[in-house]
Amino acid sequence: DAGITQSPRHKVTETGTPVTLRCHQTENHRYMYWYRQDPGHGLRLIHYSYGVKDTDKGEVSDGYSVSRSKTEDFLLTLESATSSQTSVYFCAISESWSGSGYTFGSGTRLTVV
Amino acid sequence: KQEVTQIPAALSVPEGENLVLNCSFTDSAIYNLQWFRQDPGKGLTSLLLIQSSQREQTSGRLNASLDKSSGRSTLYIAASQPGDSATYLCVVGSNYQLIWGAGTKLIIKP
Repeated sequence: DAGITQSPRHKVTETGTPVTLRCHQTENHRYMYWYRQDPGHGLRLIHYSYGVKDTDKGEVSDGYSVSRSKTEDFLLTLESATSSQTSVYFCAISESWSGSGYTFGSGTRLTVV
Repeated sequence: KQEVTQIPAALSVPEGENLVLNCSFTDSAIYNLQWFRQDPGKGLTSLLLIQSSQREQTSGRLNASLDKSSGRSTLYIAASQPGDSATYLCVVGSNYQLIWGAGTKLIIKP
């Protein structure tokens, strides 16, 4: 999607290894979000950021950490990947906390074997 | 706790039909409600955003309504086309959070 890119698009990793997913935006939006999407659960918020170095936990934050050292980049780290973290991960950005102007990235499909 | 439900989970209709997708929420104290579309293997695309003070929004063949008192929103799609096949999700802005429904998978048969 224009203005927001995620990398990598696909990744296969082994249980116990650290993994970092990157979200990059060119819109200068204040809010950035990491979601995971699993069948039967819909979208669940992992972490979000409301400014540089300002982050907070979402609904399913255990096993994940985030960092935002620049407005344009929001990193999601799985400290020690587990099979339950196999999922599709989406990054999103918005102009306001209420979600107006919400834009999603194309997603990262992560498989933990 | 706000909960968002979308029924049915899947819907298949012939091309050309008008159809309605439903979204219900348990707490009427919302800031806004949005409808998104997700194509297989892709991200989500915003379709319509309804602020809490509004009753409906329209974009082309799409019309979304909001009734806060009954905790319901509908997405009306006129003259459906095969290209409308996708999963449609609604999300409610409430209590400083965005709460997502699980989506309705729509298939339009040619």
